[in-house]
Amino acid sequence: DAGVIQSPRHEVTEMGQEVTLRCKPISGHNSLFWYRQTMMRGLELLIYFNNNVPIDDSGMPEDRFSAKMPNASFSTLKIQPSEPRDSAVYFCASSRILAGGVPGNEQFFGPGTRLTVL
Amino acid sequence: KQEVTQIPAALSVPEGENLVLNCSFTDSAIYNLQWFRQDPGKGLTSLLLIQSSQREQTSGRLNASLDKSSGRSTLYIAASQPGDSATYLCAVVSGNTGKLIFGQGTTLQVKP
Repeated sequence: DAGVIQSPRHEVTEMGQEVTLRCKPISGHNSLFWYRQTMMRGLELLIYFNNNVPIDDSGMPEDRFSAKMPNASFSTLKIQPSEPRDSAVYFCASSRILAGGVPGNEQFFGPGTRLTVL
Repeated sequence: KQEVTQIPAALSVPEGENLVLNCSFTDSAIYNLQWFRQDPGKGLTSLLLIQSSQREQTSGRLNASLDKSSGRSTLYIAASQPGDSATYLCAVVSGNTGKLIFGQGTTLQVKP
């Protein structure tokens, strides 16, 4: 298995530009998570999906952030317009929810996208 | 609100030493606890997963324990090696959400 795949690995953009981060979860996993990591705040969950449906987006910082999961093998996290304070490493993770919707399995992380907004 | 704390924030030990990393959480109603390793500039690698009904898990030189009632977990590394140098993160899934709540991590340096 290739693991969780994220692209791009690095993104440098200017303030005000739109940024789209992409994630392909592990085949067979039915939960997908987007996290952000900064020195100041550590790792924070932004949003997660179960069976392609957004379950909890309470961690999304502002309306400038949006996430979609059009199918079981692809998700995007979009920032529009981007700001310098959005600079961080964005991780995607996936896992398999147990029967009955019980969260119990390991989460596997992708390599991350390092975003720099100038 | 679940909060996860890791102590110490940084640790430096000579090669060959056994060591313990600590993790505590405020809400004992967890589904599982997961230990990760993160190398500088890299992603997270899952080391061990302990379900709420378990008390410990072992993988090679690593042993993780869980005491739900006291809200604590430890990661024991035996015979440390320079290659073990990394940041170790503890995270819990609490509530019926699947959300991982992370500690701030312990940065370990093993000196040759």
